[in-house]
Amino acid sequence: GAVVSQHPSRVICKSGTSVKIECRSLDFQATTMFWYRQFPKQSLMLMATSNEGSKATYEQGVEKDKFLINHASLTLSTLTVTSAHPEDSSFYICRALGGGTQETQYFGPGTRLLVL
Amino acid sequence: GESVGLHLPTLSVQEGDNSIINCAYSNSASDYFIWYKQESGKGPQFIIDIRSNMDKRQGQRVTVLLNKTVKHLSLQIAATQPGDSAVYFCAEKITGGGNKLTFGTGTQLKVEL
Repeated sequence: GAVVSQHPSRVICKSGTSVKIECRSLDFQATTMFWYRQFPKQSLMLMATSNEGSKATYEQGVEKDKFLINHASLTLSTLTVTSAHPEDSSFYICRALGGGTQETQYFGPGTRLLVL
Repeated sequence: GESVGLHLPTLSVQEGDNSIINCAYSNSASDYFIWYKQESGKGPQFIIDIRSNMDKRQGQRVTVLLNKTVKHLSLQIAATQPGDSAVYFCAEKITGGGNKLTFGTGTQLKVEL
């Protein structure tokens, strides 16, 4: 079946550095990818929606200059957390939409970010 | 056992019993609902979905019920097994919302042996 991967699965970085997280659809073309953030014991909060070849649409309260999203191809979207701070520590999950049907959508396994 | 949704984030059931996890939604324009299972440290896993023109849908050991009148969704798991222990989220898609999913708070299901 279709699979979505994320890399890295886990990352620890120093405060002030930038971290790039990749989301790949492995056997289908994802026209749209969504990025979510999940804090411990909380629900998934949508951060932004990215469509291939166009600028991402950010949810209210999400800083677009801090969370840079690039969707350069139909199989890859990246989320870069710039100048990361400890409060950015979270579980980041992508969801890829595509495969020919409206509801064909898969979540990635998530990336655990810890900012020291 | 039965949860009361947002007011009871943890549901404990005995192995073999049936579980009922509830979810309330607020947007009457929601036309598609999905239940996800999330194990610790992993991404959400699709369980079952239902469109707003349906009241009930069954899968393998799972049933989703939709009551649009009171904007309520439930997930029933038959013969709950230890492997069912996880956090369960309902998600809704709003008509014209561009395929965005809005997630509920979630319910932690604990299966006791």
